Amino acid sequence: DQQVKQNSPSLSVQEGRISILNCDYTNSMFDYFLWYKKYPAEGPTFLISISSIKDKNEDGRFTVFLNKSAKHLSLHIVPSQPGDSAVYFCAASAGANSKLTFGKGITLSVRP
Amino acid sequence: DTAVSQTPKYLVTQMGNDKSIKCEQNLGHDTMYWYKQDSKKFLKIMFSYNNKELIINETVPNRFSPKSPDKAHLNLHINSLELGDSAVYFCASSQPRGPGTNEQFFGPGTRLTVL
Repeated sequence: DQQVKQNSPSLSVQEGRISILNCDYTNSMFDYFLWYKKYPAEGPTFLISISSIKDKNEDGRFTVFLNKSAKHLSLHIVPSQPGDSAVYFCAASAGANSKLTFGKGITLSVRP
Repeated sequence: DTAVSQTPKYLVTQMGNDKSIKCEQNLGHDTMYWYKQDSKKFLKIMFSYNNKELIINETVPNRFSPKSPDKAHLNLHINSLELGDSAVYFCASSQPRGPGTNEQFFGPGTRLTVL
């Protein structure tokens, strides 16, 4: 049973444009959501997170939006750069020290 | 200076063998985790230790035994390796700062291939 879903396997955008990566979840107990970026042969790298008490968190070019009623979050990258090309994982947890439940990941390609 | 390190990075072995993967973190975190990324690319939790005590144990065969000699180390020992154990294993650590925080920092992964 997939509690965190990333339904699009890939996304291709032009350099300078906005990348929007989507994620849906089913577990109402999730209270913390994270995005990780992963390059081949490396471990996931923490990118940005959001607590369930907020609906937006921004860090430089990266913004995460949370819509609790729709159980949906999205990561916006603007402007997109070729170095952003990687696999992006959405993850969620319920409570501190709890496990992360990951989505399957989406491969972002930013074309020069 | 590497925050979360794992050894070895690659491990190729025969079915039936016993092998260990080591993990160390120098972040001063209290909690460490093992995740498995299978052929379908899902990252799934296996175990978690907080200050050397087991706090999460998902449905994992008992051939897998984690050991935490101190809070900076979490090793994974696998007995009687099977073909289905082939995967990438990631170690992670975290230090929650309060309710609703749980950034986990991952090691580079160990790619295990069982022949």
